Amino acid sequence: AQKITQTQPGMFVQEKEAVTLDCTYDTSDQSYGLFWYKQPSSGEMIFLIYQGSYDEQNATEGRYSLNFQKARKSANLVISASQLGDSAMYFCAMRERSYQKVTFGIGTKLQVIP
Amino acid sequence: GAVVSQHPSWVICKSGTSVKIECRSLDFQATTMFWYRQFPKQSLMLMATSNEGSKATYEQGVEKDKFLINHASLTLSTLTVTSAHPEDSSFYICRVEGGTGDRNTEAFFGQGTRLTVV
Repeated sequence: AQKITQTQPGMFVQEKEAVTLDCTYDTSDQSYGLFWYKQPSSGEMIFLIYQGSYDEQNATEGRYSLNFQKARKSANLVISASQLGDSAMYFCAMRERSYQKVTFGIGTKLQVIP
Repeated sequence: GAVVSQHPSWVICKSGTSVKIECRSLDFQATTMFWYRQFPKQSLMLMATSNEGSKATYEQGVEKDKFLINHASLTLSTLTVTSAHPEDSSFYICRVEGGTGDRNTEAFFGQGTRLTVV
């Protein structure tokens, strides 16, 4: 079974609008961490945001926020006020305490339209 | 600034030759380094995990004799693609874990290496 599922292969958003990138995960661990990374065309992986399974509040980092719904096992990334520079691939990832390796989803390609 | 340096960022080599890729942590001790491979428009696939001073642990299906990993120090791990073939052409990227406190949760990546075998 897929540990990380990203169902949106591609998304478009108008500049200055908000966009939500979906991510669901599958684990039986009680302790785990969820990550979002941005990968522009240059290839580097840029860390955006982290949510621990025991964190009660949704993580926020500037224009990025993580909508963490533990019961539904979802960890959607919300980007507010989209900018042209946000156009990139976005990967959701998880590290389980028992597994200790980070598993990545297949990614969502976001394109911001002027 | 960057905390992980990976180079070269791109390399073109002839079939049958070997290519070495370096991953260096710049300002903290990297207890564990991970090597990933990414084909175009696909996700990152873990190839191997290396801990300083011990042999790397390879994922199923990854040839350890073809992809040699050395983690000789707490700041440097190398991946050598031996006897490269065109099907080895891919994007290789390292990820580093270590450090202390909150930064440990970020698991820094190198800049990646785009390998083309001709």
